[in-house]
Amino acid sequence: SQTIHQWPATLVQPVGSPLSLECTVEGTSNPNLYWYRQAAGRGLQLLFYSVGIGQISSEVPQNLSASRPQDRQFILSSKKLLLSDSGFYLCAWSVGENSPLHFGNGTRLTVT
Amino acid sequence: LAKTTQPISMDSYEGQEVNITCSHNNIATNDYITWYQQFPSQGPRFIIQGYKTKVTNEVASLFIPADRKSSTLSLPRVSLSDTAVYYCLVAGGYNKLIFGAGTRLAVHP
Repeated sequence: SQTIHQWPATLVQPVGSPLSLECTVEGTSNPNLYWYRQAAGRGLQLLFYSVGIGQISSEVPQNLSASRPQDRQFILSSKKLLLSDSGFYLCAWSVGENSPLHFGNGTRLTVT
Repeated sequence: LAKTTQPISMDSYEGQEVNITCSHNNIATNDYITWYQQFPSQGPRFIIQGYKTKVTNEVASLFIPADRKSSTLSLPRVSLSDTAVYYCLVAGGYNKLIFGAGTRLAVHP
């Protein structure tokens, strides 16, 4: 069966520090991969999605970037965190068109 | 992109049936309608998906009228554990899967 792993579960980082969040999917090939962010008490904001290695689409201009170095690995990065980057970051995968999203357990990021 | 509109919040009591309606007037021909449930500090969980008419699974039913401009998620006999945020997602293909604000359902004893 397919599983998705996200780490770390929680993270506290100072303003201006770098960020790297990793997501991996097991049990499937060539998944579509997504990064979402959820601010406290708010809905989900789509940040990036990828349909293949090296293919990244950005939905929101910001100081975050994403990379997909391997088929089932999706990385969210920042060179310098801002206070506004605090939130709940969720990785998700799907296979093919119109198939449901499957989410990881998320990373709670607090920028201080 | 089909924009969705849902009630911000709903209240119900244990054992009742709950119907949450989502409006999507600009739904495209290739768009599917998918509902997710989210508990605090967890990622959303897939509930049900449909294209037209009625879909039923072990946890919910999804009603979609012929014009597909709205859809209704029906939760039979809710319990306290159904207290969560419910999202309606309307999209076709694999890109731009943008969620709306969701409906916060509170189930009371």
